[in-house]
Amino acid sequence: NAGVTQTPKFRILKIGQSMTLQCAQDMNHNYMYWYRQDPGMGLKLIYYSVGAGITDKGEVPNGYNVSRSTTEDFPLRLELAAPSQTSVYFCASRAGDSHYGYTFGSGTRLTVV
Amino acid sequence: AQKITQTQPGMFVQEKEAVTLDCTYDTSDPSYGLFWYKQPSSGEMIFLIYQGSYDQQNATEGRYSLNFQKARKSANLVISASQLGDSAMYFCAMREGDSGAGSYQLTFGKGTKLSVIP
Repeated sequence: NAGVTQTPKFRILKIGQSMTLQCAQDMNHNYMYWYRQDPGMGLKLIYYSVGAGITDKGEVPNGYNVSRSTTEDFPLRLELAAPSQTSVYFCASRAGDSHYGYTFGSGTRLTVV
Repeated sequence: AQKITQTQPGMFVQEKEAVTLDCTYDTSDPSYGLFWYKQPSSGEMIFLIYQGSYDQQNATEGRYSLNFQKARKSANLVISASQLGDSAMYFCAMREGDSGAGSYQLTFGKGTKLSVIP
């Protein structure tokens, strides 16, 4: 099925470990986004990309890095995981010509212990 | 200042009754979009309804309607004939930057937890 695929769905990390959250879309969308959702809260933007090779910071970028080498993939890298990064991470994409066509992945639930 | 404000942390509604979830927004951009998403306990984000800032009529999608009051910067979601399956978190979100080459990111409110009572 077309859409946004996030892997893994769940992960437990120890403090100081690193990992990459994967996000892939097969809709040829230019815009891609990473959000985090803390318990009982709304989504906050971490990083976004407006096309391959172009990324920029969102509201809460500290502790994360991204890359966009292809249109399809937008991985999020966590370096030196901290308990404050315990959250649910959502990847989303949007076509350039759509005012409201955002597609969200199913999320990755990350716990840092 | 918060860009999206949802003042109701939790709401209860009787099954088959209508309910209004409040959302106010803050922007100086003349072109923007307003969204409502549903997040059930399973966690996925489900798009419900969209209202563009230049749309003359309030948006409707089945049992969902958006009460758009531009001068008051208000975009309340109305759910008619509530069902048990409507129990979920509901998020209001805004997209700004239609006037230029922006990120078109969505900014979310903190959400309202709706519980439908049988």
